[in-house]
Amino acid sequence: DAMVIQNPRYQVTQFGKPVTLSCSQTLNHNVMYWYQQKSSQAPKLLFHYYDKDFNNEADTPDNFQSRRPNTSFCFLDIRSPGLGDAAMYLCATSRTPRQGGETQYFGPGTRLLVL
Amino acid sequence: LAKTTQPISMDSYEGQEVNITCSHNNIATNDYITWYQQFPSQGPRFIIQGYKTKVTNEVASLFIPADRKSSTLSLPRVSLSDTAVYYCLVDTSGTYKYIFGTGTRLKVLA
Repeated sequence: DAMVIQNPRYQVTQFGKPVTLSCSQTLNHNVMYWYQQKSSQAPKLLFHYYDKDFNNEADTPDNFQSRRPNTSFCFLDIRSPGLGDAAMYLCATSRTPRQGGETQYFGPGTRLLVL
Repeated sequence: LAKTTQPISMDSYEGQEVNITCSHNNIATNDYITWYQQFPSQGPRFIIQGYKTKVTNEVASLFIPADRKSSTLSLPRVSLSDTAVYYCLVDTSGTYKYIFGTGTRLKVLA
């Protein structure tokens, strides 16, 4: 049973051409996260939504934006992809209220290639 | 936020028990310790979580000493399919910040 779904699994875009990655969840979790994972590196948190409340990490470039139209869906928009943005993008969810002892559920990721 | 330190890589043989230790010296009172497993081209998968002493589930055990400044993930009788990267995270209650450490690349040999 798919719980966190990411489409597409592989995305190719051109340098500077906007691209959108999609994530959906069947868990009805309040919180959705986006991570960037470059080759042989650990996932790095970009931002998260707590319901409709957007929370950006301080070092996330302005080139990265996100939208969450409803509980189930969340999108990652890269306005002008550069070669350095080629990576695996991971979506995750978790429940609230956040009192410790919670865990994140990750999707399979979308691998982005920038040409 | 507490940062974690793990060995970069480990090798083991099938059937052996593997112990991966994580250091988290700045862990706070309300923090939990969570371990994830990640296979190539997949998202991380939750393995186990604990606060203190010992936690065991169907796939692993987690040992946390009294001072909680470190933790050890124990994988009993590993198989080739356990070859993956294992991440230790300190899970801070009241925030939504997750900082993944470098992870430990476990390679299980036949």
